[in-house]
Parts: sequence; C-alpha cells; structure tokens
Amino acid sequence: DAGVIQSPRHEVTEMGQEVTLRCKPISGHDYLFWYRQTMMRGLELLIYFNNNVPIDDSGMPEDRFSAKMPNASFSTLKIQPSEPRDSAVYFCASSGTSGLEQFFGPGTRLTVL
Amino acid sequence: KNQVEQSPQSLIILEGKNCTLQCNYTVSPFSNLRWYKQDTGRGPVSLTIMTFSENTKSNGRYTATLDADTKQSSLHITASQLSDSASYICVVSATNSNSGYALNFGKGTSLLVTP
Repeated sequence: DAGVIQSPRHEVTEMGQEVTLRCKPISGHDYLFWYRQTMMRGLELLIYFNNNVPIDDSGMPEDRFSAKMPNASFSTLKIQPSEPRDSAVYFCASSGTSGLEQFFGPGTRLTVL
Repeated sequence: KNQVEQSPQSLIILEGKNCTLQCNYTVSPFSNLRWYKQDTGRGPVSLTIMTFSENTKSNGRYTATLDADTKQSSLHITASQLSDSASYICVVSATNSNSGYALNFGKGTSLLVTP
C-alpha cells in the first residue's frame, strides 16, 4: 500500500488566493483526519470524517476553511481566501475501524505571502 | 480545560544512552493516550496507544507507561540511536458524546541523539 497520499507537497500562494489541499487515504480506512502544524501551536486537529461524513469540525479555525470528502478515497481541504497566518504544514491521516491508530501522510507545506 | 503538558521541551543525549520523556494531562473523560514520533519534514508515526486499563506498552526500544490515577505517562527509550532524533508528541483522547472523541495534543519533546 502506498500509504496516505497528499498533494501538493509544497504550495506557495499570495494572500487572498484560494488554496486546495488534497488527500487520498489508505484504502479501506474508515476515518480521515485533517491536521495543521505550526511551531507556535504544534499539531492541531481541524476536522475528521467517519465513512465520508464530517463528525467534528470544531477545530476549523474559521469560515475561510472548508473540507469535503466526496468519496472514500478522496478528501480536500480548501482555504478561501488565504491569509499569511494560514502558513503551516497541513497533514492528512487515515485510520481503520477503531479510529485509534492513525497513519499520517507526508504533509503539505503551505506558505501564504 | 483539557491540557497536555510535555517535558522536557528538548533533550540532547549521547548515542547508546537511555532517556525518558514525560507527559502530564488533565484530559477528562480519558479515552486513550498515544505517543507519536515525528522525524523532521515527515508526518508523525504512531509508537504506542494505551487505553485506561493498560499500564505499559512496548514497541521495540520504546516503552510507554501510563498512570491513569496521576494522569501521567512516560516514554522510555533504551539504548538510543542516532535515528531516534525526532520530535515525540503525546496525544490524549477524551470521550466526546457529540463526536466520539476529542484529541488533545502536547507540544512535543525534541530529542537529539549525538554520536
């Protein structure tokens, strides 16, 4: 198995632009998680899905952030409009039925100028 | 407020030596505690997961302990290797009636193993 796949690996954009991050979870996993990591705040859970349904989005910082999971093999995290304070590494992770052991993707490093 | 505190913030040890990382939490109601290893530029990798009834769990040279009464966990690394240099993150889950569970993250301990 290729593991969790994220794209792009790096994204540099200008303030105000729309940014879309993509994630392909491990096949057969029921849970998908989106995280953000910064030096100041560490790792933060943004939202997670179970069987493609958003369960908890309380970590989404504001309305500029949205996440979708149209099917079991694909999810997106969108930021519109982007701001410099959104600069961070965004991780996607997936997990099997228990949701306990999560497998992380390599992350997308986002820089908003 | 649910919190997870890790110590030390950073640590430097010589190759071959042992070390212990600490995690104190105030998360309630407790569901499980996980230790992750994160190499620079990579995503975290799970080392151990412990539920309320488990006191200790090992993964090779890594041994995690959990004291649910004092709300403390430790991660002990035996005979450290250069490849152990990484950030170690403690994550404590609380049972959440609305959404299954809520995750609470420590800021991590940065470990450097030197030759």
